Amino acid sequence: AQKITQTQPGMFVQEKEAVTLDCTYDTSDQSYGLFWYKQPSSGEMIFLIYQGSYDEQNATEGRYSLNFQKARKSANLVISASQLGDSAMYFCAASGYSTLTFGKGTMLLVSP
Amino acid sequence: KAGVTQTPRYLIKTRGQQVTLSCSPISGHRSVSWYQQTPGQGLQFLFEYFSETQRNKGNFPGRFSGRQFSNSRSEMNVSTLELGDSALYLCASSLSYRAQETQYFGPGTRLLVL
Repeated sequence: AQKITQTQPGMFVQEKEAVTLDCTYDTSDQSYGLFWYKQPSSGEMIFLIYQGSYDEQNATEGRYSLNFQKARKSANLVISASQLGDSAMYFCAASGYSTLTFGKGTMLLVSP
Repeated sequence: KAGVTQTPRYLIKTRGQQVTLSCSPISGHRSVSWYQQTPGQGLQFLFEYFSETQRNKGNFPGRFSGRQFSNSRSEMNVSTLELGDSALYLCASSLSYRAQETQYFGPGTRLLVL
C-alpha cells in the first residue's frame, strides 16, 4: 500500500516565477511509479510527468520537472516560468500493482 | 488519438435509484480504472479491469460494481444510491496494469444524489 503526503494546501506564485510543489510518499513496493496530475476547475485530470522508481535521472517535460530524491522518499514538482493557465489543483500519485494512490492535492494560484 | 471519454458528463438522481456510468478508453488501452473524488475523501480507487477481468477492488460497498467488455469499454453501476455517493467519478485507461504505466483520465461524470 502507498501513502502520499502533500503538505501545502495552497500556493501562490507570480506569473513567470518558478514554483515547487512538495510530495512525499511511503511505499513498501520495490518497483513503483510516481506521477503528477493537474486538475483544472473543469475536473479532468491531466497527466503532467512520470518518474519510475529505478530512474536515476529526474524526469522533465517542458516546463515541468520532477525532483526525485529516493532516499528521502520525495517527488517534488517544479514548474518553471509559471503561466496564468497553470492555476489548478495539482495531485501527486504513486502506483503499485496498477492502482493509483493520490495525495490530497495542492491548489496553485498564479497571479499576473 | 482520441482521449478517454465518459458518458454522461452530468447526472442527477434521487436516493434509492441506480445509475450506470460508461467509459471508453484510449484505443489500444486494455486496462480501465475507476476513481471516486469527493471534497471530504479526496480521490479514492474503486476498481480496475484488464481484459474483462476485475483485477483490483477498492474499499467500497457491494453497491458499487463494474464490468469491462471485449472492446475494453467499461461501465460502473451504483445501486440504491445514497446522498454520500454524490461525487465526481473518474475513469482512467492505460496500456496495461504495470505500475509504470501512465493512466490517462477522462473528463469525469459528476453525479448528484438528491
